[in-house]
Amino acid sequence: GQQLNQSPQSMFIQEGEDVSMNCTSSSIFNTWLWYKQDPGEGPVLLIALYKAGELTSNGRLTAQFGITRKDSFLNISASIPSDVGIYFCAGRERFSNYQLIWGAGTKLIIKP
Amino acid sequence: NAGVTQTPKFQVLKTGQSMTLQCAQDMNHNSMYWYRQDPGMGLRLIYYSASEGTTDKGEVPNGYNVSRLNKREFSLRLESAAPSQTSVYFCASSEAQGTGHYGYTFGSGTRLTVV
Repeated sequence: GQQLNQSPQSMFIQEGEDVSMNCTSSSIFNTWLWYKQDPGEGPVLLIALYKAGELTSNGRLTAQFGITRKDSFLNISASIPSDVGIYFCAGRERFSNYQLIWGAGTKLIIKP
Repeated sequence: NAGVTQTPKFQVLKTGQSMTLQCAQDMNHNSMYWYRQDPGMGLRLIYYSASEGTTDKGEVPNGYNVSRLNKREFSLRLESAAPSQTSVYFCASSEAQGTGHYGYTFGSGTRLTVV
């Protein structure tokens, strides 16, 4: 089945830096979701996007639903140690059922 | 706490043994899912249940069976475990199609090792 193209695969950053990651698809999506997975836990929903062009924030996190409806971006400002984890994008294709298609994840690592 | 509860958290099986992973949600969600997560491969859907009484195959169903026991519970069974089934298994649930809300709520996972 289709899998979203999520990049980068991993990131090493300094505390305080801003972070950007994105997901692209080959088809039009109606919904984009961003999740974070802490070590040993299940993914937790961070931000949900339902309209093309939508820009939504959750604290230091901001996500956008691309206007082409084939991509989405997640930005984290002023990263802190607890931002460490794996970030997943997920989306629902136009005209599909409610099943989600997932990206492979972006692993965020903060340099000591 | 409200959410998705999975048991057990850890399990070691010998090749050929069988076991059932349990999942229960208390959010009155209609839809439930079983995923497996392997390093570098993200989440892959094994089976899902759109509503009580229905189940369907996902991307990687071979070697697994499921039962939607009632609205709350969705179990995953490995009839004859193989080393390739070593993975972390996640159960998730979501509101029904058409509600406009598609976010899934995940359990904390079952770490299964088949030796």
